[in-house]
Amino acid sequence: GEDVEQSLFLSVREGDSSVINCTYTDSSSTYLYWYKQEPGAGLQLLTYIFSNMDMKQDQRLTVLLNKKDKHLSLRIADTQTGDSAIYFCAENPPDTGRRALTFGSGTRLQVQP
Amino acid sequence: GAVVSQHPSWVICKSGTSVKIECRSLDFQATTMFWYRQFPKQSLMLMATSNEGSKATYEQGVEKDKFLINHASLTLSTLTVTSAHPEDSSFYICSARERGSHNSPLHFGNGTRLTVT
Repeated sequence: GEDVEQSLFLSVREGDSSVINCTYTDSSSTYLYWYKQEPGAGLQLLTYIFSNMDMKQDQRLTVLLNKKDKHLSLRIADTQTGDSAIYFCAENPPDTGRRALTFGSGTRLQVQP
Repeated sequence: GAVVSQHPSWVICKSGTSVKIECRSLDFQATTMFWYRQFPKQSLMLMATSNEGSKATYEQGVEKDKFLINHASLTLSTLTVTSAHPEDSSFYICSARERGSHNSPLHFGNGTRLTVT
């Protein structure tokens, strides 16, 4: 995903908050997504945000969107060892459902007990 | 919720043989499905877009004669890796978007790990 960038690795202690950052380039993206991938598995949709929103909260997950800076973040509160995985942000090109998502490189979250 | 079933989960085959991977949308119809390939510790690379009732659209650098895609119905797309070689060993993931919902998220299968010996 050359158009979507993420840091590669994040390590936190159990119980702390995790913040995973993402920058994207297509300002016309309508939706932005966060997916989680556990080892050997496919991608699980965690949450998504519409481009006209600044924030979305869903239980332990908070998504912040700064459209001006094209910056997206995912905050996981009270991080658990089960949250250890790779997290991908993705943008949805506008206009047509025939377009695939563009993924970032993924951030590997390691949660220390 | 929308479920995408991918089969098989893993397969080992010999060089020169062909392998078929199935992707099914279980509780929704998908006009379009997407096939991705993922190398270890890397992001997903879009291989092709599978269109129901028409030819697939391949990304640059992906050989259409090697990776045959058939989207026979609104709930099934298949990817056949023909004349497989060890360099084709990878994790293949399919995804689908519900028909008529252009902005809805993609739903992913659990992936197929292909090992070519």
